[in-house]
Amino acid sequence: EDQVTQSPEALRLQEGESSSLNCSYTVSGLRGLFWYRQDPGKGPEFLFTLYSAGEEKEKERLKATLTKKESFLHITAPKPEDSATYLCAVQSYSGGSNYKLTFGKGTLLTVNP
Amino acid sequence: KAGVTQTPRYLIKTRGQQVTLSCSPISGHRSVSWYQQTPGQGLQFLFEYFSETQRNKGNFPGRFSGRQFSNSRSEMNVSTLELGDSALYLCASSLVSGGSGEKLFFGSGTQLSVL
Repeated sequence: EDQVTQSPEALRLQEGESSSLNCSYTVSGLRGLFWYRQDPGKGPEFLFTLYSAGEEKEKERLKATLTKKESFLHITAPKPEDSATYLCAVQSYSGGSNYKLTFGKGTLLTVNP
Repeated sequence: KAGVTQTPRYLIKTRGQQVTLSCSPISGHRSVSWYQQTPGQGLQFLFEYFSETQRNKGNFPGRFSGRQFSNSRSEMNVSTLELGDSALYLCASSLVSGGSGEKLFFGSGTQLSVL
């Protein structure tokens, strides 16, 4: 069974204090790894897709990286508006022509001014 | 371009009742997926519909069912509600079926409380 574990569960940073969120996974046949951001009272919002080990994607203060067993979401000089829950999800083959998406439980990031 | 619309936003039901939730995907999107989100279990996949056909199903009991209409709008039904069904139900749409690796666009969800 596919497993996705995110750490830490919660992280408090001061504005400008860089850090990383971790997503480790066990999956048979990774097709893609996704990062989403979720604000309170809203649905998740897509950030990145990574497909192969060594791949990196960047967007503003965020950079996602992928290895064969884990992904990191690096946050450089965060601002209070970066406060949200960050979700990691892995897509794997589930039989026939179907695929499934398994989410981690997320990391709640709080950035204090 | 309008996003994914879910109605109602909040719902309160009692045990044993049934409930129907609605989702209108982004125009042109043919795939609709449903997820249950709870603090303890996180986001869990319920099912996916593509062109009115169920393409994939998660590990939920048969009380959870869904359908998709020809205009890609989707409904999810939960019968004989239990206290543990209290959750945020999220709908997500994409252009093609989830097998393509296409990113999902989520609605804001329906918060269901079962008393």
